[in-house]
Amino acid sequence: NAGVTQTPKFQVLKTGQSMTLQCAQDMNHNSMYWYRQDPGMGLRLIYYSASEGTTDKGEVPNGYNVSRLNKREFSLRLESAAPSQTSVYFCASISGGTSYEQYFGPGTRLTVT
Amino acid sequence: DAKTTQPNSMESNEEEPVHLPCNHSTISGTDYIHWYRQLPSQGPEYVIHGLTSNVNNRMASLAIAEDRKSSTLILHRATLRDAAVYYCIRSRGSNYKLTFGKGTLLTVNP
Repeated sequence: NAGVTQTPKFQVLKTGQSMTLQCAQDMNHNSMYWYRQDPGMGLRLIYYSASEGTTDKGEVPNGYNVSRLNKREFSLRLESAAPSQTSVYFCASISGGTSYEQYFGPGTRLTVT
Repeated sequence: DAKTTQPNSMESNEEEPVHLPCNHSTISGTDYIHWYRQLPSQGPEYVIHGLTSNVNNRMASLAIAEDRKSSTLILHRATLRDAAVYYCIRSRGSNYKLTFGKGTLLTVNP
């Protein structure tokens, strides 16, 4: 049981390049989330998926797109990376129902130059 | 806006209890209080959550004030591994979206 996994762990992009961050969970959770964390700050919600087949915007969605590929996988795409998107990205999942415990992945550290 | 207020930092000694305060004066009746912590270079980790009454689990205790405008996370015996940023988060009803503030940086001295 790996929990929440994220790939890659580190990435450096040039301004204007695109990339997709991958997230997978093996806990059969319904809801999945993407957050970003800038230095010295708390996490901010980018997008979330309450259930397979649905996605919704969070607090800071501009410049990102997401895909809930299936129940296990939730990807985050940067179409045209900007230096302001330099951050650590965390994926999380939650079972839902009466469970309020979100499980977080180890993060992807992204630098845009 | 589901805001909470926490001290920026606190310090404790190893093997002593730690009381981390959180103010949520505008809380509504269906809002839950969650605590997460983040160890250096890791993703956040769930600690505990509650609605109205005090809660205990293997990691910590959560004491919620009778008027629900504040709460306290209690670590009964701090260890060096408890050094982390602790986030107090309020969520609306059954909404699972979490809004993280800057949290409290807990330093544990040996």
